[in-house]
Amino acid sequence: DTGVSQNPRHKITKRGQNVTFRCDPISEHNRLYWYRQTLGQGPEFLTYFQNEAQLEKSRLLSDRFSAERPKGSFSTLEIQRTEQGDSAMYLCASSREWTNTEAFFGQGTRLTVV
Amino acid sequence: DQQVKQNSPSLSVQEGRISILNCDYTNSMFDYFLWYKKYPAEGPTFLISISSIKDKNEDGRFTVFLNKSAKHLSLHIVPSQPGDSAVYFCAASAEEYGNKLVFGAGTILRVKS
Repeated sequence: DTGVSQNPRHKITKRGQNVTFRCDPISEHNRLYWYRQTLGQGPEFLTYFQNEAQLEKSRLLSDRFSAERPKGSFSTLEIQRTEQGDSAMYLCASSREWTNTEAFFGQGTRLTVV
Repeated sequence: DQQVKQNSPSLSVQEGRISILNCDYTNSMFDYFLWYKKYPAEGPTFLISISSIKDKNEDGRFTVFLNKSAKHLSLHIVPSQPGDSAVYFCAASAEEYGNKLVFGAGTILRVKS
């Protein structure tokens, strides 16, 4: 399977716990994006990487959120001290570094904070 | 502020008829527009896109039209099939924004057989 892969698919955690999600992009894609989607809304941009460099972070990404892409391949998104408002679908996408090119999404990680 | 708007939360059409989904945007810097389809509990699947230098792009049953002066695009699905029932998201991007996507809120399409 050469698509974008995300793990885990579902995560239930207690408020205050830390969680980490993983994304494996399409191998030849050097751009990797994280989005968050809540019910009734479209995905909202969180951050993106070009290779290992994190080039932009949204205002949505509070200090409790951190993302890494250490070798320019897979990426992790960590949420510290989770809050109920963090409950959402976390989506990863990857694309080539071309002008006007589509991004391909993984199946997402559904986070529920109880 | 919402830079990409899909004003119809839902649309219901009969199998075999045309489905028209609409999208408006406000940021004139956007130069690439995409439509994604999403089933529950899955990630969005890319459908079709259009560059700002074009006004139409066709791929099988799917056609996207872009009206730059009106900052409006639409997705036509002809003929509509029950398997097309899903949430459709319009998205826009610009190279100088790192090609990050700005999404509308989505339109739920139901195709009745």
